[in-house]
Amino acid sequence: DQQVKQNSPSLSVQEGRISILNCDYTNSMFDYFLWYKKYPAEGPTFLISISSIKDKNEDGRFTVFLNKSAKHLSLHIVPSQPGDSAVYFCAASVINDMRFGAGTRLTVKP
Amino acid sequence: EAGVAQSPRYKIIEKRQSVAFWCNPISGHATLYWYQQILGQGPKLLIQFQNNGVVDDSQLPKDRFSAERLKGVDSTLKIQPAKLEDSAVYLCASNPRAAPGYNSPLHFGNGTRLTVT
Repeated sequence: DQQVKQNSPSLSVQEGRISILNCDYTNSMFDYFLWYKKYPAEGPTFLISISSIKDKNEDGRFTVFLNKSAKHLSLHIVPSQPGDSAVYFCAASVINDMRFGAGTRLTVKP
Repeated sequence: EAGVAQSPRYKIIEKRQSVAFWCNPISGHATLYWYQQILGQGPKLLIQFQNNGVVDDSQLPKDRFSAERLKGVDSTLKIQPAKLEDSAVYLCASNPRAAPGYNSPLHFGNGTRLTVT
């Protein structure tokens, strides 16, 4: 059962522009959402998270937005840099249960 | 701090053979996880330990997969016998708390890429 979905397998943007990665979830019990970034041959690394009681969390160039009524979250990267090129996983958690989306491959072109 | 260590990085075996993966979590992290990531999919939890006790192994195929975490530190995951569909990256992660929380995300190792031929 896919409780966390990333419907775009890939995204390509120009350097300096905004990257928007989207994620949808089905379980309304999830109370904690995260984004992980993964480079080839490395494990996922934590990027940013948001609690279900908030609708926005910002950390430098990265902002995560949560729309609980739509069960949707998004990651905004502004401005995008070539080093941001990686696979981004959305994850959602409740108690011990953490589910991951299938990932979106972001390519930032110079 | 040193990260989560995993070995080997790569393993190629034939179907019906057995294989074992090793993980050393970040020092002091109480909770350890094994995830399976099949190409094109997100990581899927296989088993979660808190110290040396199993918290959740509901998605572990227990007829062929086994895992242990002796002394509450490092852990091994074994597959016996392997099937073609076990080809995946096996990721180990650790967390200092009993469960992931807002300021306590999982820390992943670099994984072991298993190819079953």
